[in-house]
Amino acid sequence: EPEVTQTPSHQVTQMGQEVILRCVPISNHLYFYWYRQILGQKVEFLVSFYNNEISEKSEIFDDQFSVERPDGSNFTLKIRSTKLEDSAMYFCASSDDRGSNQPQHFGDGTRLSIL
Amino acid sequence: GDSVTQMEGPVTLSEEAFLTINCTYTATGYPSLFWYVQYPGEGLQLLLKATKADDKGSNKGFEATYRKETTSFHLEKGSVQVSDSAVYFCALSDSQGGSEKLVFGKGTKLTVNP
Repeated sequence: EPEVTQTPSHQVTQMGQEVILRCVPISNHLYFYWYRQILGQKVEFLVSFYNNEISEKSEIFDDQFSVERPDGSNFTLKIRSTKLEDSAMYFCASSDDRGSNQPQHFGDGTRLSIL
Repeated sequence: GDSVTQMEGPVTLSEEAFLTINCTYTATGYPSLFWYVQYPGEGLQLLLKATKADDKGSNKGFEATYRKETTSFHLEKGSVQVSDSAVYFCALSDSQGGSEKLVFGKGTKLTVNP
């Protein structure tokens, strides 16, 4: 069964450094998402992306964050000048259609640790 | 805004016991409801969904019924197995205003002992 893949599985970065989290969505999917889960807290929506532009973003997704689809397969989340509070599990998801009843398929996540 | 409230865990059961994980929601529109499961070391997997009132989602012996009158979507399984040990997340998606984002509950960790 096709799946969403994320790399790396664990990223350790010094505070203030830039980090890029990578995702390969399911190949025929058109809608892409990033979520994060701070330890012990809820999974939170960050951003959705369609047709090479952001379609929705949360309050968390400030100027520190950016997303990109640099080629036909990858979907990346960049965090500039990381802060300690950015430590979390980051999940990528994709879906093949829009609409609230369309399931989103998730990757295994990247655990980001900021030191 | 929209929100999901799940029963606090962890939940520990013996094999073949009956499982209920409560989930209630608040939404401005008419949401779709989901249960996702996260097995140890893995990502979130869709377990089941329901898109309108009185719909019953089911998969792998798990069931949940969309109850609009009580704004609930409780997860049930009649006889749990050790392999069901995981974290279960209730979630909604409310397309009112064009949003497809998922809003999650905090998750409930289930441990099933042999």
